[in-house]
Amino acid sequence: GQNIDQPTEMTATEGAIVQINCTYQTSGFNGLFWYQQHAGEAPTFLSYNVLDGLEEKGRFSSFLSRSKGYSYLLLKELQMKDSASYLCAVRVPTGGGNKLTFGTGTQLKVEL
Amino acid sequence: DSGVTQTPKHLITATGQRVTLRCSPRSGDLSVYWYQQSLDQGLQFLIQYYNGEERAKGNILERFSAQQFPDLHSELNLSSLELGDSALYFCASSEADRSYNEQFFGPGTRLTVL
Repeated sequence: GQNIDQPTEMTATEGAIVQINCTYQTSGFNGLFWYQQHAGEAPTFLSYNVLDGLEEKGRFSSFLSRSKGYSYLLLKELQMKDSASYLCAVRVPTGGGNKLTFGTGTQLKVEL
Repeated sequence: DSGVTQTPKHLITATGQRVTLRCSPRSGDLSVYWYQQSLDQGLQFLIQYYNGEERAKGNILERFSAQQFPDLHSELNLSSLELGDSALYFCASSEADRSYNEQFFGPGTRLTVL
């Protein structure tokens, strides 16, 4: 089976840095994605990791350790608009294709 | 705006009925994915099509079916609807099916079964 774990909720202060962790146990691995989702809206792509290490993209960075089945998303200089759910997803080979298996998401609340 | 369109935006129907959800992928994208998102289960992969052919299957019920047409739009058919089918249904598309291809999500169809 597939198992992806993330904290359910986190709270942080505007201007601060927050790290959202994700651990996974899947039957295969073809990459790890982070998506942001505001309530009732579509998920939007944030980052992609397939090799170990850190990927930086503006205020967002994502890290992957395949041997540990671990990733984190780092958000810097937090803004109120960053309040959203952050979804960790692992791409798993299935049949002739791939499927994205999502964690249940981490609801981030940014406060003043 | 991701470039993926879904219709209708909202759908309210009764138990036992059948509905069809429609998705148009981004221009040039060959792969279409369907997801179900309910409050208690998060985002669940249902099925993937690539250039008209079924490519991968997830936790899709037998009452649900999908297809991708020659113009690459896709439809998800839900039949014998139950209260538990009430959810947000997202369609996503990607250029191909390589591991690094990100998926672009449409705005979703909110289905309410009464």
